[in-house]
Amino acid sequence: EIVLTQSPATLSLSPGERATLSCRASQSVSRYLAWYQQKPGQAPRLLIYDASNRATGIPARFSGRGSGTDFTLTISSLEPEDFAVYYCQHRSNWPTFGQGTRLEIK
Amino acid sequence: QVRLQESGPGLVKPSQTLSLTCTVSGGSISSGSYYWSWIRQPAGKGLEWIGRIYTTGSTNYNPSLKSRVTISIDTSKNQFSLKLSSVTATDMAVYYCARGNPYCTGSSCLINWFDPWGQGTLVTVSS
Repeated sequence: EIVLTQSPATLSLSPGERATLSCRASQSVSRYLAWYQQKPGQAPRLLIYDASNRATGIPARFSGRGSGTDFTLTISSLEPEDFAVYYCQHRSNWPTFGQGTRLEIK
Repeated sequence: QVRLQESGPGLVKPSQTLSLTCTVSGGSISSGSYYWSWIRQPAGKGLEWIGRIYTTGSTNYNPSLKSRVTISIDTSKNQFSLKLSSVTATDMAVYYCARGNPYCTGSSCLINWFDPWGQGTLVTVSS
């Protein structure tokens, strides 16, 4: 089983700042990693797939990069609606998710 | 635009069976090569994949839940369903249905990502 570890657990930033979230896999997942955003009371929403491809309708301020075991999700300039919990997930016969990073307003 | 909607009892007694249905609208559940999945999230915690089903009825389950889970599909109703038996308090969660994008090589298929998701339904386990 591949374990995904996200860091930091909580990230406190202000609107307009740049956010960098990390997801590390316990073994290589090549480029097959997805990122989701979840706001309170809502279902997760797909942001990024295959490490760097934005899903339909996702703003350009969201970007992903990485391969192998280390991945990052970057939000170039935080908007008020970006404060949420973010999860990573890898391609698998038995998909698992990281434990999440909470992005909160400083 | 495909939409998913969960339905079912919000309260289940301990030791009984949890039953939920996901209705797919805006497209046929049989079109495309998707893996229709159930995912759950206990309050304040992370996401756990429960299992998936293909339109042929082929299923795959999380090993930690496999002995208690059954997922079925009714293509005529554009629905798929989850049954989880012998529930306990640890099964209390928001249950989501989602469409899984597959990657297949030969007879082996993996799930790439999930999109879209249903809005989720809270299931409480209590007597």
